Amino acid sequence: KQEVTQIPAALSVPEGENLVLNCSFTDSAIYNLQWFRQDPGKGLTSLLLIQSSQREQTSGRLNASLDKSSGRSTLYIAASQPGDSATYLCAGEGGSEKLVFGKGTKLTVNP
Amino acid sequence: EAGVAQSPRYKIIEKRQSVAFWCNPISGHATLYWYQQILGQGPKLLIQFQNNGVVDDSQLPKDRFSAERLKGVDSTLKIQPAKLEDSAVYLCASSLGGQGDYEQYFGPGTRLTVT
Repeated sequence: KQEVTQIPAALSVPEGENLVLNCSFTDSAIYNLQWFRQDPGKGLTSLLLIQSSQREQTSGRLNASLDKSSGRSTLYIAASQPGDSATYLCAGEGGSEKLVFGKGTKLTVNP
Repeated sequence: EAGVAQSPRYKIIEKRQSVAFWCNPISGHATLYWYQQILGQGPKLLIQFQNNGVVDDSQLPKDRFSAERLKGVDSTLKIQPAKLEDSAVYLCASSLGGQGDYEQYFGPGTRLTVT
């Protein structure tokens, strides 16, 4: 059974800092890895999707990487801004289109 | 392109009452998902539809939860009777579906409070 762990559970940084969020999964048979952002009281917004044949994806100040052999994914946020404050969730998909989520990392970027 | 629509956004009911949630996926998306997100947790899949057929409902508490997707478009999720532990956000998502690397797109969710 796939289990996804996100570390740290919460993170507070000053504006402008570069940061890394970590995601690990127990079953290396990951097909896709998707990172989401969730604002309080809102649904999930897809940030990046790393497909089975890829190792990383970039969008603006965000970069996500996937290492299936070690069972790890990281989300790198460059030059953080207060608007980046949210909960970030990673989810792995094992080929059945079923996503298994971590509990998320709550990020606070202080002005 | 319109996103995934859900209603209502909020619902408060007493335990043992029934409640229904509605979802309209992105046009053309064959796969539809219902997730339950308890406060402080990641979303957990309840049921997955491919067109109007159920692909996975292994985590759906079938004694009280039911879902349908008539005509392979919009879907309803029902809880009857509700329990206190059903208080959560119910998220609907959709994807193009089929074999391949398709992203899931989420609606805003319905926040259910059972008192």
